[in-house]
This record gives sequence, structure tokens and C-alpha cells, in this order.
Amino acid sequence: QVQLVESGGGVVQPGRSLRLSCAASGFTFSSYGMHWVRQAPGKGLEWVAVISFDGSTKYFGDSVKGRFTISRDNSKNTLFLQMNSLRAEDTAVYYCAKDVHESGTYFDYWGLGTLVTVSS
Amino acid sequence: DIQMTQSPSTLSASVGDRVTITCRASQSISNWLAWYQQKPGKAPKLLIYDGSSLESGVPSRFSGSASGTEFTLTISSLQPDDFATYYCQQYNSNLLAFGQGTKVEIK
Repeated sequence: QVQLVESGGGVVQPGRSLRLSCAASGFTFSSYGMHWVRQAPGKGLEWVAVISFDGSTKYFGDSVKGRFTISRDNSKNTLFLQMNSLRAEDTAVYYCAKDVHESGTYFDYWGLGTLVTVSS
Repeated sequence: DIQMTQSPSTLSASVGDRVTITCRASQSISNWLAWYQQKPGKAPKLLIYDGSSLESGVPSRFSGSASGTEFTLTISSLQPDDFATYYCQQYNSNLLAFGQGTKVEIK
């Protein structure tokens, strides 16, 4: 069965960096686009970024563009989110989500999420 | 960027009620819209894709429809397990976007 397990969350000071990982199993990872979606405490879902199946295409939401980078290692079935210049408003649960296609459409599987808290 | 506006933000209903949630896109997205259900502390679950296609395993009381830039999620007879928050999401653009959510509460 499909499993997505996020890790790397924690408490970080404003302006610092953090790298999230998402370990995937149960499907052919290298065939599907992958996303990060976040949810601030008590708020709605916000799409963060997508990377195509082969890593050649990436798109970012306006609120993280220029600060966050998405990457993947298809040999290790792992997705990453490098978050730089973190702000208090980046505090959220970060979900890894699998696309149903090779790039950005909609999500059929989600991880349980990892909490990132940006605070001094 | 495409904006998605959901209404209402909160909906109070009883078991057995017919429930309708609306999502409006700021521009044409064809039928490239999905609906998700989220319960507290859990990841979202896909219900509907391509505007009206029911995801495998989702009860048939859930349905989706579209008219221009307005999309509707209908629950024909609300069940206790359906009290949750519902989100629409467009995928017409490379920059994906969610609606702000509709919480379905017990009346």
C-alpha cells in the first residue's frame, strides 16, 4: 500500500533554514509528480510546491517562491523541501502528497504531516 | 493566479440532510477541480476529481457538478461520518490552489 512519511520538522528561529524529507513506498515513485502542501494551525490548506516525476519541472506558491526549493531522489524514493529564510507565517503542518499524474494535478495519497514551528 | 472561493465557510446540518457546498473559480478552469474531506488531525482525503468523477471507494452519496466557473459538492444524505471540513482545489493552472474550506457541523 502507498505510504508517505514526512520527517524533519521542528522548532526553528526566524531567518534560519530547515529541510523536510518524505519517504515514499508502495508505488513507483519515479513515475509521479510530488507536492508539498501546508496547513497553518486552525487554518486551511495551502499548496506549497510541486516537482514533476523526473525533477525537470518545479513550481512554487507565491508565498514561498525564492525561499523554498523542492527536489527528489528517485533512487531513494525520497522527496525534499529545503526551506530558507523562514518566517513566523511558515509555521504549519507540512504534508507530502502524491499526484495522480506525472506533474501537477490533484492528490490521491497524503502523508501524516510534520509540524514546523518558526519562533524565537 | 487563479483564486478559489468557497461558500459557506461553515454549515450546520443534521443527519439525513442534503448538503451543498459551492466553489467558484476566478477564471475558467474547465472541469479541473477536485474535492477533499479533512477530519481534525488527519490528512485530507480525495472525494471527487475532474469536477464530477467519484474517487474509488467514496460513497455514492457524494457527487460533484459544474456550471461555468461554479462547482458544487453535494452530499445527498448526510451521515455521522461526514461531519468534517471540505476543500476544493483547482488544477487548471501550474500554480495549484485550494478554496478556504467549508466546515460541516452538527446542527
